Formats: sequence, C-alpha cells, structure tokens
Amino acid sequence: SQQGEEDPQALSIQEGENATMNCSYKTSINNLQWYRQNSGRGLVHLILIRSNEREKHSGRLRVTLDTSKKSSSLLITASRAADTASYFCATDAARGSTLGRLYFGRGTQLTVWP
Amino acid sequence: KAGVTQTPRYLIKTRGQQVTLSCSPISGHRSVSWYQQTPGQGLQFLFEYFSETQRNKGNFPGRFSGRQFSNSRSEMNVSTLELGDSALYLCASSLLAGQSYEQYFGPGTRLTVT
Repeated sequence: SQQGEEDPQALSIQEGENATMNCSYKTSINNLQWYRQNSGRGLVHLILIRSNEREKHSGRLRVTLDTSKKSSSLLITASRAADTASYFCATDAARGSTLGRLYFGRGTQLTVWP
Repeated sequence: KAGVTQTPRYLIKTRGQQVTLSCSPISGHRSVSWYQQTPGQGLQFLFEYFSETQRNKGNFPGRFSGRQFSNSRSEMNVSTLELGDSALYLCASSLLAGQSYEQYFGPGTRLTVT
C-alpha cells in the first residue's frame, strides 16, 4: 500500500527554471528518501532526510521535511533537460514492521524542455 | 564501489512457467530488499533479507519467494507465472536495515509474461 503521495503528478518546465515536488505521507517516520527514475530503469538515490532534520541540501537539490504536517518537498534549482525523470519519495514507518521496507508514492513525472 | 547488479535485465516467459531473478548487492551491504513495479500498482515491497534470513514480507502470494546466500547475493523466484506478474523487479541493498540507512537500487529486471 502507498504511504506517500507526490504532488503534482506531472510537472513541465523550461531549462533554468526551478522544479518543486511535494510528498505527503500518513504515519510517523524515521526518515524519508527521494529517488529519481529514468524511464524504465532503476531508482537512483538522491537524498535521505531524517525525522529530526528540517532541511537538507545536495548540489542543486534542496529537501525539506515538516513532520507536523507529514510532508516533504524536493526543490531542483536551475533545472536541466537531463533532470527529466520520475521522482519518488519513499518513507519507512516508525512503528510496525519496517525492516528493509520502503513505502513509495506514485511519483512526479518531471519534464524539462531545452 | 560497484553498484547493485541484477540479472538478467530482460526476460520473457509464458504463463505457468517459473522464473528466478538474481541480485548482487553493493559490497559490504547485508540487507537486500525486493520490489515489484507496475504502472497500475506502482512500487510494491516483496520481501527483505538480512544475513540469509527473511525478516520482512509484503502482501504477495506464496508463488513469490526468495532467498539470500552467505555472500549476501539474493534470488527471487516466481512460480506458476501469471500475466499480471509482468513488471519491473527491483532489488535494493542497504548497509543495514535499520532506521536511517539508504537503500540503493539496481537497474531492475524487466519480466514479460505472455
């Protein structure tokens, strides 16, 4: 079952613009991870943010986490055509059977036009 | 370090057959998780192995099974294939399946059942 939901489902922007994707989840978590998937390929790990962190940066990526609202956002600055991909958030669950299990949303399909 | 590898990359089987997929984790990683990705259901957790023991299992029928070897390599098996088993099967490895460890994914095995 899906724990997270990304919003929007699809996002289309021009190169150089910023892209913001949001993720909401339902239960308490230990951490949240963002992944990128190019068409039909494996998932590439982008960033992990722990439940006691509010913001994290990695290159052109900025992730925020608001545990009170059970939501996270991924900002990609100065987007490039190569950023075109699906982006997923994945959470563990703070309670229950969590070992090795991530819960994924449906993803946001980002298209960056040259 | 080499990433997670999966073999084969593509597979075509007919209904009723069985299939075995293989996953080699990143060197030093002891946890391997398996996921099924379909357009309809998204990414669904199958099971997780750590030190040759299955520690967590998703909501899939008993036709889906797996195992892990002493070198942490893992296999999953699907018996009596159905058309609905057509999917991208992804494995992910983690240093430990604890609370705050990233999962790194392989390129996936694309299974088509005809």
